[in-house]
Amino acid sequence: QVQLVQSGAEVKKPGSSVKVSCKASGGTFSSYAISWVRQAPGQGLEWMGGIIPIFSTANYAQKFQGRVTITADESTSTAYMELSSLRSEDTAIYYCARDRKVGTVGLFDYWGQGTLVTVSS
Amino acid sequence: DIQMTQSPSSLSASVGDRVTITCRASQGISNYLAWYQQKPGKVPKLLIYAASTLQSGVPSRFSGSGSGTDFTLTISSLQPEDVATYYCQKYNSAPQITFGQGTRLEIK
Repeated sequence: QVQLVQSGAEVKKPGSSVKVSCKASGGTFSSYAISWVRQAPGQGLEWMGGIIPIFSTANYAQKFQGRVTITADESTSTAYMELSSLRSEDTAIYYCARDRKVGTVGLFDYWGQGTLVTVSS
Repeated sequence: DIQMTQSPSSLSASVGDRVTITCRASQGISNYLAWYQQKPGKVPKLLIYAASTLQSGVPSRFSGSGSGTDFTLTISSLQPEDVATYYCQKYNSAPQITFGQGTRLEIK
């Protein structure tokens, strides 16, 4: 059974950066795309970007280009999402999610538990 | 960018009712359409992919249809445990992976 376990809640100052981790277990890590999806309080789901670890190349939503960096460490089966220049509007739950099968991008059947990032002065 | 628009944004129905939620894409997306269910305080769950294929373990009262630009999620007989927000999503088109704005479903 695949499990995605994310790092804990963060409180950050405006202008700073946050790095959230997502450790996978129970399946093959390298070949499946891992994405990051966020959800602001009371709002919908928003795809930020994703990576296929074996290729190490990430795709980003245009909205987050230049501000988000998604990486993956195959040796530890862990994906990371770093968001910089934080502002209050970035306060949200950040989820990692794994694709349902190799070859798809953005079809998520496994989700992490979510990491609350609060941006406040 | 392709936009995904759901309707209605919220609805209230009685137990046993047939419920339909629609999702429209601003351009054709073939059948690369998924539906997710998110219960309050919980992680989203994949219900349907390829517009009409039921994910393993999902009750058969859920069904999906459509292709191109117009899609539908149907619950044939609403149950109390179906209270949730439902999202459509187009996939397989990174970096344009887009969710609809969500439909909140309540029991009347």
